[in-house]
Amino acid sequence: EPEVTQTPSHQVTQMGQEVILRCVPISNHLYFYWYRQILGQKVEFLVSFYNNEISEKSEIFDDQFSVERPDGSNFTLKIRSTKLEDSAMYFCASTPVYNEQFFGPGTRLTVL
Amino acid sequence: LAKTTQPISMDSYEGQEVNITCSHNNIATNDYITWYQQFPSQGPRFIIQGYKTKVTNEVASLFIPADRKSSTLSLPRVSLSDTAVYYCLVGPGSGAGSYQLTFGKGTKLSVIP
Repeated sequence: EPEVTQTPSHQVTQMGQEVILRCVPISNHLYFYWYRQILGQKVEFLVSFYNNEISEKSEIFDDQFSVERPDGSNFTLKIRSTKLEDSAMYFCASTPVYNEQFFGPGTRLTVL
Repeated sequence: LAKTTQPISMDSYEGQEVNITCSHNNIATNDYITWYQQFPSQGPRFIIQGYKTKVTNEVASLFIPADRKSSTLSLPRVSLSDTAVYYCLVGPGSGAGSYQLTFGKGTKLSVIP
């Protein structure tokens, strides 16, 4: 069964450093998403992406964040200058036309 | 977005049927009800979606009364592996395309041997 994959599974970085989280959505899916979940808290929407541009973004997704689909398979989330409060699980999701979103296993980001 | 309310936690013994009810008094006419499951340190996983009456798949059943102000997720004969957080979401259904999912705190189901 096709699945969304994410790398790395765990990323440790120093505050102020840039990180890039990578995702490979399910092929033939059209919509891509990033969510995050701070430990013990709710899953929060960050951004959705369709047709090579951002469709929606939340208040969390400020200028420090960017997304890109550099080729036909990868979907990346970049945080330019990480803060302590960016420590969280980051989930990528994809969907075809329909509403069921398929989530990846997540990347645990730890900012020291 | 319609707000959802569900119990914070539930306990159940193995082999029992579990029913988790979600309230969504302000559901809109074109909203669907969707349930996701999340295991620790994993991404949410779609379980079931419905609009009205009853929907059943190989994992669960979803009961939605006529007024659609609540819904009940039914898990038949739970096992230890069903221990997870279950989220009730309300929003546009199939065919809506890009749509951000709004998760609440969910219901933490603990299955006891």
